[in-house]
Amino acid sequence: LAKTTQPISMDSYEGQEVNITCSHNNIATNDYITWYQQFPSQGPRFIIQGYKTKVTNEVASLFIPADRKSSTLSLPRVSLSDTAVYYCLVGSGTYKYIFGTGTRLKVLA
Amino acid sequence: DAGITQSPRHKVTETGTPVTLRCHQTENHRYMYWYRQDPGHGLRLIHYSYGVKDTDKGEVSDGYSVSRSKTEDFLLTLESATSSQTSVYFCAISEKWTSASSGANVLTFGAGSRLTVL
Repeated sequence: LAKTTQPISMDSYEGQEVNITCSHNNIATNDYITWYQQFPSQGPRFIIQGYKTKVTNEVASLFIPADRKSSTLSLPRVSLSDTAVYYCLVGSGTYKYIFGTGTRLKVLA
Repeated sequence: DAGITQSPRHKVTETGTPVTLRCHQTENHRYMYWYRQDPGHGLRLIHYSYGVKDTDKGEVSDGYSVSRSKTEDFLLTLESATSSQTSVYFCAISEKWTSASSGANVLTFGAGSRLTVL
């Protein structure tokens, strides 16, 4: 199981781009990288997933370098509603998903 | 929509009493999970199931038991609740997510069950 490390918290202002990096040094060959967003009093929800290089959807982009030992979630032009906890999760074949501490993002007006 | 329902959504109980939380899903997903989340903390895996009657321990399984007698239901039981088990409990299922760049499973969570043990 790949252990992940993320910054505990980050602050940003509305309209800025936010990049949250996750370290997963012992990622396995068949592991995917998945990011989740959690608002207070709700369960986490899926944002984006990737295996290598860059993935983009309507919400975010995910950058994964060639060695795959880290990944960066990029949120373009954040708004107050993006204030949440963001989790990076690595895993696949074992189906035993262990979350890290997550990054608490606070977007300021 | 994975159709996950957790019950009860809120429960207050006393120390030493048994408590059962239920997770119900409507789409025949094989993998189901129970996590707990405490204030200011991340999600910790309690138990998970990979099929009917097939379960395994997670990170914090002491004091908890689970059962899965049919695909759609995954029960979490606290045999004798303690105050340290006051928490929000989330059920999740694992389902395939396919896109042009990926194809691994993702977790979909229920709304959570808030348990208070006095």
